[in-house]
Amino acid sequence: KNQVEQSPQSLIILEGKNCTLQCNYTVSPFSNLRWYKQDTGRGPVSLTIMTFSENTKSNGRYTATLDADTKQSSLHITASQLSDSASYICVVSDRGSTLGRLYFGRGTQLTVWP
Amino acid sequence: EADIYQTPRYLVIGTGKKITLECSQTMGHDKMYWYQQDPGMELHLIHYSYGVNSTEKGDLSSESTVSRIRTEHFPLTLESARPSHTSQYLCASSESGRALPVPLEQYFGPGTRLTVT
Repeated sequence: KNQVEQSPQSLIILEGKNCTLQCNYTVSPFSNLRWYKQDTGRGPVSLTIMTFSENTKSNGRYTATLDADTKQSSLHITASQLSDSASYICVVSDRGSTLGRLYFGRGTQLTVWP
Repeated sequence: EADIYQTPRYLVIGTGKKITLECSQTMGHDKMYWYQQDPGMELHLIHYSYGVNSTEKGDLSSESTVSRIRTEHFPLTLESARPSHTSQYLCASSESGRALPVPLEQYFGPGTRLTVT
């Protein structure tokens, strides 16, 4: 069964600290992995997209890693800011269809305290 | 920032009413999608469209219907709202025409929070 599991479910950190969010998936055949940021009451916004051949990608203070062999990804946030408080969703796409079926994780709810 | 819009943003309505959730995008994308999301849960695809006059049901069974008469417009309709329809509804779009395996970016609207009393 194709699944995407994220951990932790929620996380609280102090402003300025770093944190790492985890994503494990069983989606096969794998096409790409995306990390989205979703603010409360808003739609998800893409942070990174990685294909099979990429093992790291950065977007400002966000750095995503991908290990396609172990089917794991992480999202590292450096020097956290209050505006980083949001849900971070890992999404994996399979191959073989034009639609590129997307499998969504439940997200990690990050809270940054001052 | 993506040019995809949803109205209304919030809607509280009584059981049995007919409602239409609007979604429009100005990016000329062929593909459009509707997702349903409950608090703390993953997004579930309920409808998608490859282009004008093309609509398909998604993975999650839904009593809603959609139409795609114009490229930029993809409304979702509930003929008779029920409390079980209370949820957040997210519309998304993506471009087409690129060969696989280049991933297609999906752009999401801000969502409509629907409450059926």
